[in-house]
Amino acid sequence: DTAVSQTPKYLVTQMGNDKSIKCEQNLGHDTMYWYKQDSKKFLKIMFSYNNKELIINETVPNRFSPKSPDKAHLNLHINSLELGDSAVYFCASSQEPPEKLFFGSGTQLSVL
Amino acid sequence: EDKVVQSPLSLVVHEGDTVTLNCSYEVTNFRSLLWYKQEKKAPTFLFMLTSSGIEKKSGRLSSILDKKELFSILNITATQTGDSAIYLCAPGGRDDKIIFGKGTRLHILP
Repeated sequence: DTAVSQTPKYLVTQMGNDKSIKCEQNLGHDTMYWYKQDSKKFLKIMFSYNNKELIINETVPNRFSPKSPDKAHLNLHINSLELGDSAVYFCASSQEPPEKLFFGSGTQLSVL
Repeated sequence: EDKVVQSPLSLVVHEGDTVTLNCSYEVTNFRSLLWYKQEKKAPTFLFMLTSSGIEKKSGRLSSILDKKELFSILNITATQTGDSAIYLCAPGGRDDKIIFGKGTRLHILP
């Protein structure tokens, strides 16, 4: 059983399109995150949710909208995709911090 | 503003060598520091450090935290080619915010 699963693994799309990435964790964790990893492998935090409530929003463009229907799911919707959005997006979860992060396998987004 | 600085940014050594990777941080309401190894896919967990001066070990890897001087080191002894990866340091602080350094790219030559 995969602990943190995200779909799709790969996403190739045109500029201007809208796309979503889904994430689910079966660990019973309270906190979920979205991270963006650029081509230089720098992992940057985007959002965190604790029990469906937004806790961290790291000055991400408002084209990015996270949604957490319940504490096991955190989805990321991106409107009007731009070239600079191309990256790997990782979902992660943790129990009451300071526990370790469990990562999903990542979604490679390529905007053409 | 919270920040994490890892050094060196890249390192090339021969198999069998010992390496020391550094991480210095400034984080509001520091709670813990995590070390991760990233190869091709998602980062994999190595250590979580919360107390100063207590070394954590896992095989050839060990790590220690200094909360007074705000840094941590990760040591790898008798390196192997399978240790080639990016090593990421991630302190956690206020609002459960866990931020990552830019990583150290380690390459082990056979």
